[in-house]
Amino acid sequence: DGGITQSPKYLFRKEGQNVTLSCEQNLNHDAMYWYRQDPGQGLRLIYYSQIVNDFQKGDIAEGYSVSREKKESFPLTVTSAQKNPTAFYLCASSILGARGYTFGSGTRLTVV
Amino acid sequence: QKEVEQNSGPLSVPEGAIASLNCTYSDRGSQSFFWYRQYSGKSPELIMSIYSNGDKEDGRFTAQLNKASQYVSLLIRDSQPSDSATYLCAVDNNNDMRFGAGTRLTVKP
Repeated sequence: DGGITQSPKYLFRKEGQNVTLSCEQNLNHDAMYWYRQDPGQGLRLIYYSQIVNDFQKGDIAEGYSVSREKKESFPLTVTSAQKNPTAFYLCASSILGARGYTFGSGTRLTVV
Repeated sequence: QKEVEQNSGPLSVPEGAIASLNCTYSDRGSQSFFWYRQYSGKSPELIMSIYSNGDKEDGRFTAQLNKASQYVSLLIRDSQPSDSATYLCAVDNNNDMRFGAGTRLTVKP
């Protein structure tokens, strides 16, 4: 079955530590996205990529980094520069031309 | 700033009633409009899309779009307890998708 796989489901980060969230899709979608969701708030765009080896900052890119070396993969690194990383992180993909996104199951990141 | 506004709720309706969810947006150039359902602790799931003015029906769901008023709504007929979730409105303009904060719906048996 086609879909998006995010891992891990839960992640705990210590102060000053970088962590990487995985996102893999087998839908052959060109575009991939990373969103952050905080309680009571909408989804906020961190980074997006429309083609391999290219990506663009979203509204809240500071403290995050991404790569897009393969069409199927779009990992997100939460760096130590992100001072408030506790949130639910969602990866999504779409066919260019915006007919809606398919979301992964999410990663819940907690700072300990 | 491109805004998508939703009433956060909670909206509570009895089982079998019609639930009406509303959304307004600020970007007049928006072309595509979506409703996602998100159960607690889960990821959003696309349930409706609408691209032109008027109504679009899919089973118990009807999406309504009025571009002149910059307004999109979702009606859920014969509401069921399993419809209890947060409903996110999303608005797209040329691959720039914006999400509302969501309306929490509770359907009481």
